[in-house]
Amino acid sequence: GIQVEQSPPDLILQEGANSTLRCNFSDSVNNLQWFHQNPWGQLINLFYIPSGTKQNGRLSATTVATERYSLLYISSSQTTDSGVYFCAVSGNEKLTFGTGTRLTIIP
Amino acid sequence: DAGITQSPRHKVTETGTPVTLRCHQTENHRYMYWYRQDPGHGLRLIHYSYGVKDTDKGEVSDGYSVSRSKTEDFLLTLESATSSQTSVYFCAISAGGNTIYFGEGSWLTVV
Repeated sequence: GIQVEQSPPDLILQEGANSTLRCNFSDSVNNLQWFHQNPWGQLINLFYIPSGTKQNGRLSATTVATERYSLLYISSSQTTDSGVYFCAVSGNEKLTFGTGTRLTIIP
Repeated sequence: DAGITQSPRHKVTETGTPVTLRCHQTENHRYMYWYRQDPGHGLRLIHYSYGVKDTDKGEVSDGYSVSRSKTEDFLLTLESATSSQTSVYFCAISAGGNTIYFGEGSWLTVV
C-alpha cells in the first residue's frame, strides 16, 4: 500500500511564528487531505488538495503530485493551532494516514 | 458540522465480551469508514462500506466485523474483545472521491 511520511514529528513554536509541515507519499494518488486534531481529539478537515494550491485564512496548502509531496503552511500561529496535523492520501476510496506532526504553540 | 453520531462515546468492557459501536449519519453519503487511533500509529482503517450491504476490509480488520443494513448506519462489532483492542475508534463518511468527515470518536477500554 501507499506509504505516508510526515515531518517534522514535533514542532514547538512561539505564538505569531510561521510553520511548514511536510507530507511525502510513495505512489500516485487521486486524493490528499489535511486534518487537524485538536487537544480534545476532534478531527477537522482542513483541505482536500490532490494537486495545486489552496488557501483558507492563515492556512494554505500545496500539493505537487508529480513529486509526491504536499506542504501545509500556517502563518501567524495562534495557541488554538496546537494539536496534531495529519496528512492522508489514497489512490482509491481507502485513505492512508501519516503518523502526524504534533504542533505546540506557546503564548 | 457533518451529521455523524457515534455511540457509545465511552465504554469499558471485559476481555472476551462482544462489543458493538454504532455510527449514524444524516448526510446520505455513500461511503462510511471505521478507523482506530493508537499512539505512534496515527489512524488505521479497520473496515469501510461503499453502499448498503457492501463492505471491505482495511489494514487492521482482524477481530472486527461490520454491517451496513441501512445507508445511515454502520456498525462495528468486536466479536470477543481483547486488551489490544483498547483504542479510540472513529467513524468517517464521504460522498466519494473527495472530503472525508469524522465523528467525535468512541473511547473503548478492554480490561
